[in-house]
Amino acid sequence: NAGVTQTPKFQVLKTGQSMTLQCAQDMNHNSMYWYRQDPGMGLRLIYYSASEGTTDKGEVPNGYNVSRLNKREFSLRLESAAPSQTSVYFCASSERGRWEAFFGQGTRLTVV
Amino acid sequence: DAKTTQPPSMDCAEGRAANLPCNHSTISGNEYVYWYRQIHSQGPQYIIHGLKNNETNEMASLIITEDRKSSTLILPHATLRDTAVYYCIVTGNTGKLIFGQGTTLQVKP
Repeated sequence: NAGVTQTPKFQVLKTGQSMTLQCAQDMNHNSMYWYRQDPGMGLRLIYYSASEGTTDKGEVPNGYNVSRLNKREFSLRLESAAPSQTSVYFCASSERGRWEAFFGQGTRLTVV
Repeated sequence: DAKTTQPPSMDCAEGRAANLPCNHSTISGNEYVYWYRQIHSQGPQYIIHGLKNNETNEMASLIITEDRKSSTLILPHATLRDTAVYYCIVTGNTGKLIFGQGTTLQVKP
């Protein structure tokens, strides 16, 4: 049972490049989340998906887009990466109405 | 969702109980109190949650005041492996888990 799987684990991008962070969960959860965590800071919610086909902005959505491809997968896209987006990105999932979220191991992204 | 306030850091001696407070004075009737922790740079881990009553599981106990404006997470016998950042989150029907800055708990030998 893999839980929440994020790919890639590490990535270095040049300013202006684009990339998609992938997240998949195998727990049949309805809700999925994307967070970013800057050094020494708490997690900040980027986007949230309550169910397949729905997405909602979180605290810091600017510069990001998301796709809830199906119930299992929730991807995060950076269209034009900026150094300010250097961060660790966490994906999470939970059952609707129950906020016991399970987190992936994170993607460490550096934009130079 | 209601905001929460936690002390930025706390120390605890190994083997002692760690009591982590959280203030959520604007909590509404249908909102739950959730606790997570993050060890080093791993993804956060769910600990416990409650609505009104005190709760206990294999990891911790959660004490919620009668007016629900504050709560305390209790780790009964803290070990070095409990050193982590602990987050108190209040959430209701929005489903959004908003993490604050949390409390950094340092368990010392």
